[in-house]
Amino acid sequence: DIVMTQSPDSLAVSLGERATINCKSSQSVLHSSNNKNYLAWYQQKPGRPPKLLILWASTRESGVPDRFSGSGSGTDFSLTISSLQAEDVAVYYCQQHYSTPWTFGQGTKLEIK
Amino acid sequence: EVQLVESGGGLVQPGRSLRLSCTASGFTFGDYEMSWFRQAPGKGLEWVGFIRSKAYGGTAEYAASVKGRFTISRDDSKSIAYLQMNSLKTEDTAVYYCTKMSCSGGNCYSNFWGQGTLVTVSS
Repeated sequence: DIVMTQSPDSLAVSLGERATINCKSSQSVLHSSNNKNYLAWYQQKPGRPPKLLILWASTRESGVPDRFSGSGSGTDFSLTISSLQAEDVAVYYCQQHYSTPWTFGQGTKLEIK
Repeated sequence: EVQLVESGGGLVQPGRSLRLSCTASGFTFGDYEMSWFRQAPGKGLEWVGFIRSKAYGGTAEYAASVKGRFTISRDDSKSIAYLQMNSLKTEDTAVYYCTKMSCSGGNCYSNFWGQGTLVTVSS
């Protein structure tokens, strides 16, 4: 199984400041046939289901604000929120969909400082 | 508008069975793979299994933790996906989510999640 590890476990950032969450996979999730990284980022607010933010490591899902961006390749990835808004308080998860069992990072709780 | 509504959750004793339903609307259900995930109280997300569309054989795959106990099926005429859970254990206590999947070249990701239904396994 591919193990996904996020850092940090929690993060407090001031409004308007940048927030960065890291995700590392135990093996590469880069598919050589199409050069796509099979890595997604989800946002989960309290009492709500997860919401897809980023797919293919760096493609924003339709309707996601452009302050959210994803980067990285192979085994190391990042989610960046360029200017934190109050509504961004949530837990963020990375997930690999390279091979089953699809696995998630443990989550990063993002709060306002 | 895509909607997924899970139902069938509740309190069940260890060793008993429960069947969850996921009723879909707003898209052509039969064309899509569907998946189930779960989240134990206060914990992270865990993939449970998924079922392919009939065009790709309608077969299912499962996480090791539920293989042999859980079965995913689908009724395309009713736009419903099912999760049959047998021999339930206390560690199966979780909110169960169904998701609509987007697949390309044999690879899939979940692009829409239902609201979830809580399953509590306790004596």
